[in-house]
Amino acid sequence: QKEVEQNSGPLSVPEGAIASLNCTYSDRGSQSFFWYRQYSGKSPELIMSIYSNGDKEDGRFTAQLNKASQYVSLLIRDSQPSDSATYLCAVENTGNQFYFGTGTSLTVIP
Amino acid sequence: KAGVTQTPRYLIKTRGQQVTLSCSPISGHRSVSWYQQTPGQGLQFLFEYFSETQRNKGNFPGRFSGRQFSNSRSEMNVSTLELGDSALYLCASSPSTSLETQYFGPGTRLLVL
Repeated sequence: QKEVEQNSGPLSVPEGAIASLNCTYSDRGSQSFFWYRQYSGKSPELIMSIYSNGDKEDGRFTAQLNKASQYVSLLIRDSQPSDSATYLCAVENTGNQFYFGTGTSLTVIP
Repeated sequence: KAGVTQTPRYLIKTRGQQVTLSCSPISGHRSVSWYQQTPGQGLQFLFEYFSETQRNKGNFPGRFSGRQFSNSRSEMNVSTLELGDSALYLCASSPSTSLETQYFGPGTRLLVL
């Protein structure tokens, strides 16, 4: 079982819709969770971090964490074509090691 | 402030050779982490250095090694290259060890023939 799993997609949504990206992790003791965005040919950049159960909002982005279900999600409201990228979920486990999912490719259709 | 720089940006090697990649962190950052990114496996953590000491290591064979110098610059070495080592190698620097403060460099794309 992989440490972090994501649906690879591709996920396509129309402009203005909500994009929902999901991630599960295997280490129940993990405490730190991150979402990165990676444009084609570019390096990953941090979008959101979340440490506690519940929702965390930052502009059009909302991260959701459910530790009991070992599930993290990212919602992008009012999706824009510029949001088209690969989204990486990352988890810091109990051994202070960082694991990334393989990423979900998102395309926002104008 | 200058970002993370990595050299070279592109590299072609043949099986059995060795390669050394270099990473210069953002000024003032003392932590440097290395990652391998491939289409099949995604982004995988190699190791992390802080103040010249390896503090964390991922699940890679001993052919992958690294070091950090007193100016926080880091090098990664891969010996006896295999075809499967073809990947984008990313370096990230941070003033601490949290992913929240990591900034990635542009990467070195290695092709092993």
